[in-house]
Amino acid sequence: EVQLVESGGGLVQPGGSLRLSCAASGFTVSSNYMSWVRQAPGKGLEWVSVIYSGGSTYYADSVKGRFTISRDNSKNTLYLQMNSLRAEDTAVYYCARVRGVALGWWFDPWGQGTLVTVSS
Amino acid sequence: SYVLTQPPSVSVAPGKTARITCGGNNIGSKSVHWYQQKPGQAPVLVIYYDSDRPSGIPERFSGSNSGNTATLTISRVEAGDEADYYCQVWDSSSDQAGVFGGGTKLTVL
Repeated sequence: EVQLVESGGGLVQPGGSLRLSCAASGFTVSSNYMSWVRQAPGKGLEWVSVIYSGGSTYYADSVKGRFTISRDNSKNTLYLQMNSLRAEDTAVYYCARVRGVALGWWFDPWGQGTLVTVSS
Repeated sequence: SYVLTQPPSVSVAPGKTARITCGGNNIGSKSVHWYQQKPGQAPVLVIYYDSDRPSGIPERFSGSNSGNTATLTISRVEAGDEADYYCQVWDSSSDQAGVFGGGTKLTVL
């Protein structure tokens, strides 16, 4: 069964750092494009970042320069390093596999999400 | 950057047909995907590539895309279909950005 399980969320002060993890099972992270998507409380979905199977990375303007997406092939795990956190980064963070690369990418499946709260 | 516009809410009686729109400039030239999100749960893909259904999604869910509007249609609506629905495209012209609509709350009366 294809499954994604996020961890690492929590309460952090403004300006602090946090690293999220997303453990995959049923498929190989390094052979797929993988993404992070977030959802602020009561708000809609916002794409955050993607890492290609070849290793290229891209970010939303709102997190560029502060967040870093990466993976550990030996652990079949995706990461999101978040630095210089702001109150507006407060959200549930989902990892998702990117499908249909040649057809107009979509996200499937999604993990259950991990909550990040930035507050003093 | 590319913008997708959805109505905030749609209401429908059980057994009727719900249509949720997603507007974007020449969206018909892009592939549109739809997600269902119930309270406290992660989004679930219900339509991809405009009109294809993943395995396990009922045939009551269908999609179309033309011109400046994509549409998610839910036939014979059930109480369990009440959820938020999001459309999504990939904007390759914006440094490889994923783009979501603002979401539509479907209420089953």
